[in-house]
Amino acid sequence: DTAVSQTPKYLVTQMGNDKSIKCEQNLGHDTMYWYKQDSKKFLKIMFSYNNKELIINETVPNRFSPKSPDKAHLNLHINSLELGDSAVYFCASSHLSSGGGANVLTFGAGSRLTVL
Amino acid sequence: AQKITQTQPGMFVQEKEAVTLDCTYDTSDPSYGLFWYKQPSSGEMIFLIYQGSYDQQNATEGRYSLNFQKARKSANLVISASQLGDSAMYFCAMREGGYGGATNKLIFGTGTLLAVQP
Repeated sequence: DTAVSQTPKYLVTQMGNDKSIKCEQNLGHDTMYWYKQDSKKFLKIMFSYNNKELIINETVPNRFSPKSPDKAHLNLHINSLELGDSAVYFCASSHLSSGGGANVLTFGAGSRLTVL
Repeated sequence: AQKITQTQPGMFVQEKEAVTLDCTYDTSDPSYGLFWYKQPSSGEMIFLIYQGSYDQQNATEGRYSLNFQKARKSANLVISASQLGDSAMYFCAMREGGYGGATNKLIFGTGTLLAVQP
């Protein structure tokens, strides 16, 4: 019944490795997001896809590559992991419409990445 | 320029009392949305309340209300009758561009850590 599910919840890996985080939503939303929360709890948008089309691409190292195979899934692949990539990564989803409504983001539980 | 400012890094409140968490914002867009999220120690982000810039009345959701002062660009969260389970980090966020805008991009403040004392 989980609305936005992320896997894995915890990820511990060595510098230089490549890793992926998967996200799936069953809310019927058309837009999905990746946010990064750093050690000071600051949340920042990284990417967003609307119906599989990239609509937000913030200043993120190109080692980070999102992929959206369909509007219910948004994965995040990270190449050549660095110490500074250690953070909690949140997936979220929402409707995206200009016709009304708050278009509230529903977040997943987060994936804690630790790079050693 | 910081668009969302939460000046209270941490706050204490006694159980059953009301507490106000401050949030100010900066935007030149006449159409925007303001959100509050709660993040307990377990880590998930929980949506609490939303206020649209054109909404005539302050938003309320149960024990949560949003004190929206448009001229002052403030959107303070008021929690009435605090409970121990309210202890968490609280984030204010803003979306420019109306209901959905072009991208529904949320910009978050730095958060306020609330501790409810018995």
